[in-house]
Amino acid sequence: QKEVEQDPGPLSVPEGAIVSLNCTYSNSAFQYFMWYRQYSRKGPELLMYTYSSGNKEDGRFTAQVDKSSKYISLFIRDSQPSDSATYLCAMKETSGSRLTFGEGTQLTVNP
Amino acid sequence: ETGVTQTPRHLVMGMTNKKSLKCEQHLGHNAMYWYKQSAKKPLELMFVYSLEERVENNSVPSRFSPECPNSSHLFLHLHTLQPEDSALYLCASSQTENYNSPLHFGNGTRLTVT
Repeated sequence: QKEVEQDPGPLSVPEGAIVSLNCTYSNSAFQYFMWYRQYSRKGPELLMYTYSSGNKEDGRFTAQVDKSSKYISLFIRDSQPSDSATYLCAMKETSGSRLTFGEGTQLTVNP
Repeated sequence: ETGVTQTPRHLVMGMTNKKSLKCEQHLGHNAMYWYKQSAKKPLELMFVYSLEERVENNSVPSRFSPECPNSSHLFLHLHTLQPEDSALYLCASSQTENYNSPLHFGNGTRLTVT
């Protein structure tokens, strides 16, 4: 069983739609949760960073963590074609440097 | 323009060749990393360097040999690779090698082993 499960998609939505991207995990020691966005032929860039449970909002993006269900989500409101990318979830325990990534979800927002 | 620069962007090499990947970070960070990204797989951590000392070697075959001459530069020396080593190799840096220091990635080197 993978430590982090993420549906690879591809996911295709019309412009303006609300997008929900999700990851589940099995390691209850994970405390730090991140979402990275990776455009084609580019490296991943950090999009959202949250600690423990709760919500964090940044513009059109909202990251949600439910530690009791071992489930994290990234919501994109009013999605734009420029949001088309692969979204990687990543998580980390409180100590050590190892960051565990999901497989990534490929998103296409159609104009 | 990313603060982490990787060269070359693309590399094709035969199984008997020796080549090196280069990474340079302009962010003043103290930790640097090599990751492997293969299709349909999560990012795999290969090596971690903190203040030029290797702190993690994630069971990587010896045909991959890292070198960190200073905190701004990281190399990955390649020799006698296998076709399954074809992947995107990503370099990253972070302020420190701890749990709340986010990673900054380069754009990667696309490696093809023939």
